[in-house]
Amino acid sequence: SQTIHQWPATLVQPVGSPLSLECTVEGTSNPNLYWYRQAAGRGLQLLFYSVGIGQISSEVPQNLSASRPQDRQFILSSKKLLLSDSGFYLCAWSTANQPQHFGDGTRLSIL
Amino acid sequence: AQSVTQLDSQVPVFEEAPVELRCNYSSSVSVYLFWYVQYPNQGLQLLLKYLSGSTLVKGINGFEAEFNKSQTSFHLRKPSVHISDTAEYFCAVVYSSASKIIFGSGTRLSIRP
Repeated sequence: SQTIHQWPATLVQPVGSPLSLECTVEGTSNPNLYWYRQAAGRGLQLLFYSVGIGQISSEVPQNLSASRPQDRQFILSSKKLLLSDSGFYLCAWSTANQPQHFGDGTRLSIL
Repeated sequence: AQSVTQLDSQVPVFEEAPVELRCNYSSSVSVYLFWYVQYPNQGLQLLLKYLSGSTLVKGINGFEAEFNKSQTSFHLRKPSVHISDTAEYFCAVVYSSASKIIFGSGTRLSIRP
């Protein structure tokens, strides 16, 4: 069966520090991969999605970036975090038009 | 433009009462529809999905939803809610002309004893 792992579960970082959140999927090949952010009390905002290795589409301009070094690995990064980067980050995968499956999320707090 | 609208940001109900969470999408020839549930500090979990076939879809935890093409709606219902149903619920749609899923803004369901 397919599983998705996302870590860390929680993270507290100072403003200006770098960021790296990792997401891996097991049990499927060539999935579509997604990074979402969920600010407090708000809905989901799609940040990046990828349909293959090295293929990244960005949905909103920001100081975050994403990379897909391997088929089932999706990384969210930043060189310098801003206060506004605080939120709950969710990774998801899907195939074709099937529903997305989500990881457990990373709660990021910027101090 | 392709969109999903959840009309109610919050829905308070008493335990054991019925509930309906509303979802409307912009018209399209072909859509796939989903409802997700998010418990506090967790990711989203798929409740149910409509891909084709019967317009009444049954999901986990006693929830069901009905696809109404003429009204472009996919409302979520449960005949009797429990305290454990307290969560945020997201409606989502994939338009056949696009490859991305579009989420509604979510409805927070709170259950009162």
